[in-house]
Amino acid sequence: QMQLQESGPGLVKPSETLSLTCAVSGYSITIGYYWGWIRQPPGKGLEWVGSVYHSGTTYYNPSLMSRVSISINTSKNQFSLRLNSMTAADTAVYFCARQGDGSYYDYWGQGTLVTVSS
Amino acid sequence: QSVLTQPPSVSAAPGQRVTISCSGSTSNIGNNYVSWYQHLPGTAPKLIISDNNRRPSGIPDRFSGSKSGTSATLDITGLQTGDEGDYYCGSWDTNLSSALFGGGTKVTVL
Repeated sequence: QMQLQESGPGLVKPSETLSLTCAVSGYSITIGYYWGWIRQPPGKGLEWVGSVYHSGTTYYNPSLMSRVSISINTSKNQFSLRLNSMTAADTAVYFCARQGDGSYYDYWGQGTLVTVSS
Repeated sequence: QSVLTQPPSVSAAPGQRVTISCSGSTSNIGNNYVSWYQHLPGTAPKLIISDNNRRPSGIPDRFSGSKSGTSATLDITGLQTGDEGDYYCGSWDTNLSSALFGGGTKVTVL
């Protein structure tokens, strides 16, 4: 059974860079599919952050494109998110997920809360 | 403001039916697949409909999806208290090269 697990700091200072990793078990990310990050600010809806293919091809939310980078590490079977110049508006639960061919997300991590505060 | 528009809330009594709409445009719903997610408090979102109307394994047939033009619909029949939560539609936008989610609809079982 495939599982995804996010890891990273729960607290980030304003202007700093967030780094999160999603470890995938029970499935090789080299087989295919895109792998994505989705976030949910407190009290708000889901927001797509971006996705990466095992080849390294990426797509990003246009509103975050200047600050976001998603990479993949096939040897560790994991992918990572970097979001720089963090502000309070970036406070959210961050989920990693597998993206299917129809741009649906079928396997999700449990999510990790990231708070931006000094 | 989300590109995909959903009603903020819907409600019905147990056993009844609710319908959630998701309105978009030709660059997203009109030419791409729609998916639906159930998000219960404290859990990860759960895929309940993919590719407009496909139910993943384990999803009861009380949940059904459809698409017509630039709009999509999620129907939940035989409503149960365990269905209370937030529901999101999703699609890909060809012009933006971006995945999209609707703003979410809160389902309340009266």
